[in-house]
Amino acid sequence: AQSVTQLDSHVSVSEGTPVLLRCNYSSSYSPSLFWYVQHPNKGLQLLLKYTSAATLVKGINGFEAEFKKSETSFHLTKPSAHMSDAAEYFCVVSGDRGSTLGRLYFGRGTQLTVWP
Amino acid sequence: NAGVTQTPKFQVLKTGQSMTLQCAQDMNHNSMYWYRQDPGMGLRLIYYSASEGTTDKGEVPNGYNVSRLNKREFSLRLESAAPSQTSVYFCASSQKGTSGFSSTDTQYFGPGTRLTVL
Repeated sequence: AQSVTQLDSHVSVSEGTPVLLRCNYSSSYSPSLFWYVQHPNKGLQLLLKYTSAATLVKGINGFEAEFKKSETSFHLTKPSAHMSDAAEYFCVVSGDRGSTLGRLYFGRGTQLTVWP
Repeated sequence: NAGVTQTPKFQVLKTGQSMTLQCAQDMNHNSMYWYRQDPGMGLRLIYYSASEGTTDKGEVPNGYNVSRLNKREFSLRLESAAPSQTSVYFCASSQKGTSGFSSTDTQYFGPGTRLTVL
């Protein structure tokens, strides 16, 4: 069965410092993994996705994530936080077999706060 | 190109009332989805539709019904609302359908409907 665990429910950083949002996944096969961002009172926007090509995936707004199969991790990083990055971030795994194919399984979310 | 649109944005119901949440997409996508979002729970799939005329249950279907009216529209109905259905509801769509479901398919989300059941 597919699942993701976001290791931190809240992360706080100062503007201009690095961001690290941690995610571990569980999947029987080679997973497809996504990071979505949700700004307050908005819908979800895709940041990036991993689909078994390059293990380092670059997304929008300077975010990137590295797929590490040995660690079953897909952590999201950004070198320098901006105030506009304050939002909730979801790590997501896609089902890849049978009745789960194409269905998304969400982590519980990490709330990112950026201090000036 | 509006993407995925949802109506209404906000709704307050009394226990036992019924209502329908509307969703439409203009991306010519085959698949559409309904999720609910509760604090600390992420998003959970209620129902999905791989193509016009087909619907399937997700993780939390109890208390809901859906209709795939045509390729563009997918509605969610609460027949007898309960306080436990207080939530934010998101509709999403993706390109692939049943014959070509892919784990790499990207889902695009609407802005959500905030529902309160008193």
